[in-house]
Amino acid sequence: AQTVTQSQPEMSVQEAETVTLSCTYDTSESNYYLFWYKQPPSRQMILVIRQEAYKQQNATENRFSVNFQKAAKSFSLKISDSQLGDTAMYFCAFMKHQDSNYKLTFGKGTLLTVNP
Amino acid sequence: EAGVAQSPRYKIIEKRQSVAFWCNPISGHATLYWYQQILGQGPKLLIQFQNNGVVDDSQLPKDRFSAERLKGVDSTLKIQPAKLEDSAVYLCASSLRQGAFSWEQFFGPGTRLTVL
Repeated sequence: AQTVTQSQPEMSVQEAETVTLSCTYDTSESNYYLFWYKQPPSRQMILVIRQEAYKQQNATENRFSVNFQKAAKSFSLKISDSQLGDTAMYFCAFMKHQDSNYKLTFGKGTLLTVNP
Repeated sequence: EAGVAQSPRYKIIEKRQSVAFWCNPISGHATLYWYQQILGQGPKLLIQFQNNGVVDDSQLPKDRFSAERLKGVDSTLKIQPAKLEDSAVYLCASSLRQGAFSWEQFFGPGTRLTVL
């Protein structure tokens, strides 16, 4: 079974600064996806960024980028130029790609607060 | 396009009572997921449907939880009888079954259940 660990329950950052959220995972699979999801207070979960395990290049989406270290099974999220709207719970998630059964395994989340 | 709809948004019941949650996925999405998100934890998959068939219900407490997806569109998740530990947010998500983007899950706003 896959496990996802987020070791930082809470983090805070000043507006316009950069913050990095950590995530490690454990799997014996070679073909999988990794995701970061954002869950704002009382709002629905949305996808922030996705990384495919076979790709060595780190994914980027505007101010969001990842540092994917496959051998170390590490998948951190960097948020640059933090904005007040980035305040949310962030979940790291793993998806095994097997027989087209796309099942997500989530970490416990990191609560990020962006301070003005 | 319209997102995943869920109702009710909030529900408070006494233990041993029954409760039902409803989900309407994005039009055309063949795969539907129900997750349980207990406070302080990441979402945990309860059941996955492909059209109106069950793909994975390995983590569904079948002695008290049941789910159906009639006609492969809307879905209902039921708890009977409820226990205190069922207090959680119940998230519904949907995804396309075919194509390059079938990995992407779109989440609804969730139903927050409080069992007293």
